[in-house]
Amino acid sequence: AQTVTQSQPEMSVQEAETVTLSCTYDTSESNYYLFWYKQPPSRQMILVIRQEAYKQQNATENRFSVNFQKAAKSFSLKISDSQLGDTAMYFCAFRSQGGSEKLVFGKGTKLTVNP
Amino acid sequence: DAGVIQSPRHEVTEMGQEVTLRCKPISGHNSLFWYRQTMMRGLELLIYFNNNVPIDDSGMPEDRFSAKMPNASFSTLKIQPSEPRDSAVYFCASTTFVGSLSYGYTFGSGTRLTVV
Repeated sequence: AQTVTQSQPEMSVQEAETVTLSCTYDTSESNYYLFWYKQPPSRQMILVIRQEAYKQQNATENRFSVNFQKAAKSFSLKISDSQLGDTAMYFCAFRSQGGSEKLVFGKGTKLTVNP
Repeated sequence: DAGVIQSPRHEVTEMGQEVTLRCKPISGHNSLFWYRQTMMRGLELLIYFNNNVPIDDSGMPEDRFSAKMPNASFSTLKIQPSEPRDSAVYFCASTTFVGSLSYGYTFGSGTRLTVV
């Protein structure tokens, strides 16, 4: 079974600075999808960014980018120019391309952006 | 589109009572998922449906939990009888697939269940 590990339970960053959240996963599959979700205090789960494993180019969405290292099974999220509104729980998630459609989540990283 | 709609947003009930959580997925999405979130266990998949058919219910904790999807626009998660350890936030999510391409999973706002 696939597992997703987020080794940083909590992190903090100063406003306008850059922060990187770590995620590793375990799978024997070669084709899959990876996601980062944000959960602010409102508890809404918001999709931040997604990556297809067959794509070598790292995904980017405005201030959010990933560093996808397939061989190392690593999928980190970089947030540039951090804003107070980025304060939230961040979850890394894995989904097989074939087989089960379910998302497997990590335990999450609580990010606090300080003014 | 209004997104994935869950009701109620909060539910407080007494132990032993029946609880029904509701979900309306995004129109056109053909897969629906029920997740439970707790501090101890994080986000766990309970069950998911594809084209209204239950595909994987291995995460349903015990027989007290049941889920249905009578049509493409509605699903329920029922707990009978409820216990204090069922207290959690329950999320519904939906998505669609085109061939093997997976698009983003859209989550509802969740139902916070408290069993006293």
